[in-house]
Amino acid sequence: DAGITQSPRHKVTETGTPVTLRCHQTENHRYMYWYRQDPGHGLRLIHYSYGVKDTDKGEVSDGYSVSRSKTEDFLLTLESATSSQTSVYFCAISGQNLNTEAFFGQGTRLTVV
Amino acid sequence: AQSVTQLDSQVPVFEEAPVELRCNYSSSVSVYLFWYVQYPNQGLQLLLKYLSGSTLVESINGFEAEFNKSQTSFHLRKPSVHISDTAEYFCAVSHSNSGYALNFGKGTSLLVTP
Repeated sequence: DAGITQSPRHKVTETGTPVTLRCHQTENHRYMYWYRQDPGHGLRLIHYSYGVKDTDKGEVSDGYSVSRSKTEDFLLTLESATSSQTSVYFCAISGQNLNTEAFFGQGTRLTVV
Repeated sequence: AQSVTQLDSQVPVFEEAPVELRCNYSSSVSVYLFWYVQYPNQGLQLLLKYLSGSTLVESINGFEAEFNKSQTSFHLRKPSVHISDTAEYFCAVSHSNSGYALNFGKGTSLLVTP
């Protein structure tokens, strides 16, 4: 299995609180991505990174911010969590060569109450 | 921008029967095409991909998909399914313009019964 770890795996938080999810890789891959998975919507891209301190927005970036201060870590922050952000969040990594497939983490189940 | 449409949200099929999961895409540029599989409570795993070359691509567990540029389709097929193929299947496209980020369809739930 690719070396990609998400933490925490489960979290329950209250509306209005900040939340940070962490994605850690040991593959030295250039690209890192955050997706959310919701029933009936598949996976939707939140943000992605193409290098240290290089990030860009995805399809559903409102209410989320990211940071990548080193190659191995990609953080997703919900500045003020809302119930609509209850979801399963997946991190993925991919190498610079397109023939390198994207590897996914096991997911973080976030519940905002 | 690219988009992906998976035409069936659920596909029930009997064991050992053939199956086809349909995927159509739209894009103004050339894209790369993928099928991912997700088993319950797990992350996604790559099933197969089309980057260039032969339009028919195969996976190690008997699935195949054919890239059809004129019909903008990338349907997934298997001639004989097993119970263990029960899972969620996602079609996706990517392009270098967006950091090779995958743009997914909404998924097709394949349910194989005895």
